[in-house]
Amino acid sequence: GQQVMQIPQYQHVQEGEDFTTYCNSSTTLSNIQWYKQRPGGHPVFLIQLVKSGEVKKQKRLTFQFGEAKKNSSLHITATQTTDVGTYFCAGQGSGYALNFGKGTSLLVTP
Amino acid sequence: SAVISQKPSRDICQRGTSLTIQCQVDSQVTMMFWYRQQPGQSLTLIATANQGSEATYESGFVIDKFPISRPNLTFSTLTVSNMSPEDSSIYLCSANRVSTDTQYFGPGTRLTVL
Repeated sequence: GQQVMQIPQYQHVQEGEDFTTYCNSSTTLSNIQWYKQRPGGHPVFLIQLVKSGEVKKQKRLTFQFGEAKKNSSLHITATQTTDVGTYFCAGQGSGYALNFGKGTSLLVTP
Repeated sequence: SAVISQKPSRDICQRGTSLTIQCQVDSQVTMMFWYRQQPGQSLTLIATANQGSEATYESGFVIDKFPISRPNLTFSTLTVSNMSPEDSSIYLCSANRVSTDTQYFGPGTRLTVL
């Protein structure tokens, strides 16, 4: 079955440093979605990538979808303490169900 | 985005009992799903809730343990049956709107089984 691997598991940065998390799928995806979960909260949808090689930006966040539609990355420029949380990628294959990566927990210290 | 509510938000239950979690969406959606998130872990799909028919369960999850109902397009329930401490987890409902693949999550139900 489809597996989504996500690295790193944890990342601790100083405020102002950049951060990147990576996802790899064992199979080609129809799309990939990214979520952020704050401590004690529920996953909140950030973005969906559909096209091969797609790049989308949301302020300091840059999302990429690989040419083969099997990998993706989320890059945060100049992190802030409000960026703290766990970032999940979730791959969608032929059906509607999402297969989540294990998440990357980001800690930002001032 | 769809607004999704869940009840209860949290509960503490005794071993051997059952708990039914309700999920209500504010607008018509095509798909509804139930996930489990154990402490510090990722989300695992339990099943897809199908309107008017039996849910579609993922490997490792069975109807006798997690019966699911979806009587209409905007409402679903998940029952955690004959609970044990290993069932302590956050249970999340999600849904996606008609004509979109994007899934939105409810606030979750935090279950503790003693």
